[in-house]
Amino acid sequence: AQTVTQSQPEMSVQEAETVTLSCTYDTSESNYYLFWYKQPPSRQMILVIRQEAYKQQNATENRFSVNFQKAAKSFSLKISDSQLGDTAMYFCAFMNYGGATNKLIFGTGTLLAVQP
Amino acid sequence: NAGVTQTPKFQVLKTGQSMTLQCAQDMNHEYMSWYRQDPGMGLRLIHYSVGAGITDQGEVPNGYNVSRSTTEDFPLRLLSAAPSQTSVYFCASSYSQGRQPQHFGDGTRLSIL
Repeated sequence: AQTVTQSQPEMSVQEAETVTLSCTYDTSESNYYLFWYKQPPSRQMILVIRQEAYKQQNATENRFSVNFQKAAKSFSLKISDSQLGDTAMYFCAFMNYGGATNKLIFGTGTLLAVQP
Repeated sequence: NAGVTQTPKFQVLKTGQSMTLQCAQDMNHEYMSWYRQDPGMGLRLIHYSVGAGITDQGEVPNGYNVSRSTTEDFPLRLLSAAPSQTSVYFCASSYSQGRQPQHFGDGTRLSIL
């Protein structure tokens, strides 16, 4: 069974600085997807970035980038130039590629506070 | 295009009552699912459906029923509410192929007294 671990329950960063959120996962599959979702106080689940395991290049979306280390089963999220609107709970999630379901397996989340 | 719509947004029930959480999507997505979010536990899959007329259990299905009579709708039924079902419930949908990201509704906060 796949598992996703986020070992940082809470983090804090100053506005305009860079912060990295950690995520590790466990799977015996070779093809899968990894995601970072953002959940602001409004409770919405917003997709931040995704990575296909077969791609060696790390995904980037504006100020958000990932460091995907497949052998180490690590998938960290880097937020550059942090903004107050980045304050949210961040969830790392795993999905098996081409399985019978689109089941997402979530980590327990990291609460990020951006300080002015 | 409204995306995934969940109703109600908030609900308080008494133990033993029944209710249905509604979920509708207008994106013609085949795949729909229900998750519950509890503090310190992330989101866990309750039930899912890969198309109209097809449903299956997820990780925590006990106490919940689902049906999928149309592509658009995927209601979640609590047959006899228990305090352990106090949670925030999310509905999500996507195209059936795994490479597509899931779209989430805004959630329903449910409290069972």
